[in-house]
Amino acid sequence: DAGVIQSPRHEVTEMGQEVTLRCKPISGHDYLFWYRQTMMRGLELLIYFNNNVPIDDSGMPEDRFSAKMPNASFSTLKIQPSEPRDSAVYFCASSPQGGSTEAFFGQGTRLTVV
Amino acid sequence: AQSVTQPDIHITVSEGASLELRCNYSYGATPYLFWYVQSPGQGLQLLLKYFSGDTLVQGIKGFEAEFKRSQSSFNLRKPSVHWSDAAEYFCAVGPRLSGSARQLTFGSGTQLTVLP
Repeated sequence: DAGVIQSPRHEVTEMGQEVTLRCKPISGHDYLFWYRQTMMRGLELLIYFNNNVPIDDSGMPEDRFSAKMPNASFSTLKIQPSEPRDSAVYFCASSPQGGSTEAFFGQGTRLTVV
Repeated sequence: AQSVTQPDIHITVSEGASLELRCNYSYGATPYLFWYVQSPGQGLQLLLKYFSGDTLVQGIKGFEAEFKRSQSSFNLRKPSVHWSDAAEYFCAVGPRLSGSARQLTFGSGTQLTVLP
């Protein structure tokens, strides 16, 4: 299994631009999570999906952030417009329906907004 | 609300020395407990997990952790640290299967430095 795949690995963009982060979860996993990691706030859960349906988006910081999961094998996290304080590493993770609540993480996308 | 506390932001040990990383949690009931490791520029990798049963759990890379219900703790240990263990370590808690609740709550992490 290839694991959770995120793209791009690095993104540098100018303030005000739209940014789209992509994630392909592990095949067969029913849960998908988006986390953000910063030095100041550590790992924060932004939103998670179950069977492509958003379950909890209370961690999404502002309306500038949106996430979609159009099918079981693809999710996007969009920031529009981006701001320098959005600079962080964004992780996608997935988890199977049964068994434990263990999450499998992707390599992350390092976003820099200048 | 659930929370995870890792009181040590940074720990330095010499190669070959023993290691213990502390983790305390606050949760409504006994949660699932996890330790993850993050190497620079990488994602989080699961080291070990506790669900039930034996309170001493073994993980990968020679790590183990002990669940102590009375202390709400889940400390990570390794008897002899290797230079390749230098990384950041995260303790996390997750709900026992309950509806669709699945999110993990992470501690702030402990950065481990290993001296030669």
